[in-house]
Amino acid sequence: DAGVIQSPRHEVTEMGQEVTLRCKPISGHNSLFWYRQTMMRGLELLIYFNNNVPIDDSGMPEDRFSAKMPNASFSTLKIQPSEPRDSAVYFCASSSDRVGNQPQHFGDGTRLSIL
Amino acid sequence: GQQVMQIPQYQHVQEGEDFTTYCNSSTTLSNIQWYKQRPGGHPVFLIQLVKSGEVKKQKRLTFQFGEAKKNSSLHITATQTTDVGTYFCAGPSGDSWGKFQFGAGTQVVVTP
Repeated sequence: DAGVIQSPRHEVTEMGQEVTLRCKPISGHNSLFWYRQTMMRGLELLIYFNNNVPIDDSGMPEDRFSAKMPNASFSTLKIQPSEPRDSAVYFCASSSDRVGNQPQHFGDGTRLSIL
Repeated sequence: GQQVMQIPQYQHVQEGEDFTTYCNSSTTLSNIQWYKQRPGGHPVFLIQLVKSGEVKKQKRLTFQFGEAKKNSSLHITATQTTDVGTYFCAGPSGDSWGKFQFGAGTQVVVTP
């Protein structure tokens, strides 16, 4: 079975550019999570969806960040405009249970560098 | 809000030795999960504990959930180089279902 698929794997772009990260969750999973990981702040939950609906976006750092889930098999995380401090590894994860009682399956991540 | 703390943050172990990492929550958890992240990789689910006082084993790894369901531990016996990585515990936040808070992780380095 295919796991969580993220693209791109690596992204290097200049400050001010728009960045779009993509995620395809595991088929049948109804919860999707976006995380950011840095050395300083560890693994931070940015936003999560249940049945394509954003449930909690309190972790989104600021208005430059936005996330969508137009259907059960696709989600995007967009940063516009990007800044050097956004450099991090961004993970998408999916789960089969909305109440957090099932494991989260992580994608390989997108390693983002903003110059 | 809920906080999940892990200690130690860093663990340097000689191959063959045992070690334990601890996870403490400021609130009671309905369950706790453990994940392992290899260097350059992504977190991978290891196990979930649900019952008070529950103990589960995976080969050389022993996981325990405290009686009050506010703490957990991971004990590794006879550490091997394949145990290198960061071990995270995660528990559901009581203020928003479906949301897990991850601890900061314990980074394990194994010396041959």
